[in-house]
Amino acid sequence: AQSVTQLGSHVSVSEGALVLLRCNYSSSVPPYLFWYVQYPNQGLQLLLKYTSAATLVKGINGFEAEFKKSETSFHLTKPSAHMSDAAEYFCVLSNTGNQFYFGTGTSLTVIP
Amino acid sequence: DAGITQSPRYKITETGRQVTLMCHQTWSHSYMFWYRQDLGHGLRLIYYSAAADITDKGEVPDGYVVSRSKTENFPLTLESATRSQTSVYFCASSDLVNTEAFFGQGTRLTVV
Repeated sequence: AQSVTQLGSHVSVSEGALVLLRCNYSSSVPPYLFWYVQYPNQGLQLLLKYTSAATLVKGINGFEAEFKKSETSFHLTKPSAHMSDAAEYFCVLSNTGNQFYFGTGTSLTVIP
Repeated sequence: DAGITQSPRYKITETGRQVTLMCHQTWSHSYMFWYRQDLGHGLRLIYYSAAADITDKGEVPDGYVVSRSKTENFPLTLESATRSQTSVYFCASSDLVNTEAFFGQGTRLTVV
């Protein structure tokens, strides 16, 4: 069975601090994993994706994520938070591209 | 314009009325999806389609109807709207080559 768990529905960081959003997955087959960002009143935008190539994936806006099979994790990080990073973040799993499994999302607040 | 578009962006309807949400994509992606987004639930799959004339139920299909007579269009119909269907609805598409899903801007539906 496939599932995604995002630890922490709300995360607050100070501007300039490290951003760490946690995602653990369960999959019976090698997964594709994604992080999407949603700004208020907007659709979901792809931040980065893992598709079984490099385990460290770099995305847009300075974000990156590391696929760790042994820990079944795909945590999202950014070294220095910016005010514009405040948004909702979703970790998503796909097995073949025709089914997507969403985490419940993490709301990131950046404190000036 | 290339991409995936949803219409309308905002809709208010009365309980018991039929309402159709439109989704159009210009990439000729095989797969299309309808999700609803509710606080505390993340995104939940309503229906999806693997190709024209092929549709299947997702996690929360009750009260919804879909059709896909053309590859580029995937309308979602609420046959008799209820207050519990007040939500934000997202359409998405994907093809197996790229693997990620592309999302529309969403339709905010209020049933009064």
